[in-house]
Amino acid sequence: AQSVSQHNHHVILSEAASLELGCNYSYGGTVNLFWYVQYPGQHLQLLLKYFSGDPLVKGIKGFEAEFIKSKFSFNLRKPSVQWSDTAEYFCAVRSDSWGKLQFGAGTQVVVTP
Amino acid sequence: DVKVTQSSRYLVKRTGEKVFLECVQDMDHENMFWYRQDPGLGLRLIYFSYDVKMKEKGDIPEGYSVSREKKERFSLILESASTNQTSMYLCASRTDVTSYEQYFGPGTRLTVT
Repeated sequence: AQSVSQHNHHVILSEAASLELGCNYSYGGTVNLFWYVQYPGQHLQLLLKYFSGDPLVKGIKGFEAEFIKSKFSFNLRKPSVQWSDTAEYFCAVRSDSWGKLQFGAGTQVVVTP
Repeated sequence: DVKVTQSSRYLVKRTGEKVFLECVQDMDHENMFWYRQDPGLGLRLIYFSYDVKMKEKGDIPEGYSVSREKKERFSLILESASTNQTSMYLCASRTDVTSYEQYFGPGTRLTVT
């Protein structure tokens, strides 16, 4: 079964710094990849997704992710973070034909003013 | 907008009690999911339902059961609550198996004492 590994559990950075969160999945073939975000006190919501085509995917709020098939990776990036990006970020991969999602452990990001 | 609601935001129950967590979606989605979210473990799938009265076990079904009598409602049942079931429970729904985007509810934080 697919598994997902997120490299960092906690990240603290200052406003305007660049953010990159690592995500690796366990095996190849056709994959569907997702980044979800959970702002404090809010629902988990989809940030961006990759199904096929251009490996550089743009999402909401200035986030983007790059799918690198050879590295089994789908890293999330934002060039300049804001205090409002403080949240927990989850990487997920479709795990079977039912389209169930396998989530990573999550990365808690704190942006300081 | 898709709306997924959960019956309680916070719940405190005693060991051995039978607990019902309710989830309702208003978008006529076929598929519904129950996850638990624990720090450092991300989201883990407990059960999902691909249609009314249909259910499939997820990764951690032990100690839980589910019920889906109507399309819009998916209930998670803890037959005899235990302290290791203290967690955040998230419900999600999606259109059908061809649509991989899931929409999440606000979560129920359950404490079992």
